[in-house]
Amino acid sequence: SSELTQDPAVSVALGQTVRITCQGDSLRVYSANWFQQKPGQAPRLVIYGKNNRPSGIPDRFSVSSSGNTSSLTLTGTRAEDEADYYCNSRDSSGNHVVFGGGTRLTVL
Amino acid sequence: QVKLVESGGGVVQPGRSLRLSCAASGFPFSGNAMHWVRQAPGKGLEWVAVIWYDGTTTYYGDSVKGRFTISRDNSKNTLYLQMDSLRAEDTALYYCAREEEGETLDYWGQGTLVTVSP
Repeated sequence: SSELTQDPAVSVALGQTVRITCQGDSLRVYSANWFQQKPGQAPRLVIYGKNNRPSGIPDRFSVSSSGNTSSLTLTGTRAEDEADYYCNSRDSSGNHVVFGGGTRLTVL
Repeated sequence: QVKLVESGGGVVQPGRSLRLSCAASGFPFSGNAMHWVRQAPGKGLEWVAVIWYDGTTTYYGDSVKGRFTISRDNSKNTLYLQMDSLRAEDTALYYCAREEEGETLDYWGQGTLVTVSP
């Protein structure tokens, strides 16, 4: 399968830790990347590869993976982290790109 | 700094064509594969197409294969998306994105809106 599955919505209390998961067969071979998208803005890369953060992304963002699942963890969640989060990777052929359906994170 | 600026969107009737452009600056354009990704109103991200750094190889998502053509002009630092036989379901914000080291899409433009409507 070339699909990536995410929970549609997750909520977290301010200052707490939240995990957003992404499942798909291709994740057994390829690392997931994670993007944050706020209303009216383009997606922004927050995690790529094994557990790499682009410049400017705070270290409260981290990722772990096991089998066919990648998990994005936000530690000490802040109000500004409220956004849609998308995972992506290659498909099983390695030539196409696939995105998860996205998870809307609400910070309470 | 890396900058990607899309243009060419607009309102078009079903069955007609449109060509999008993405002007790149701030990096050696000819060294990176480039992608188009779209987002229908209120929906998630959908990958559209990729073109290798030298333009020799392209791949397409199933929903656009045979109708859309991705191309690039490295002398002009510009990426293109030729969209033919447009359908209502092609209505979306179209983003161009840079691929870094074969691993991820690290920079995105702000998008250009395509609306397919009678």
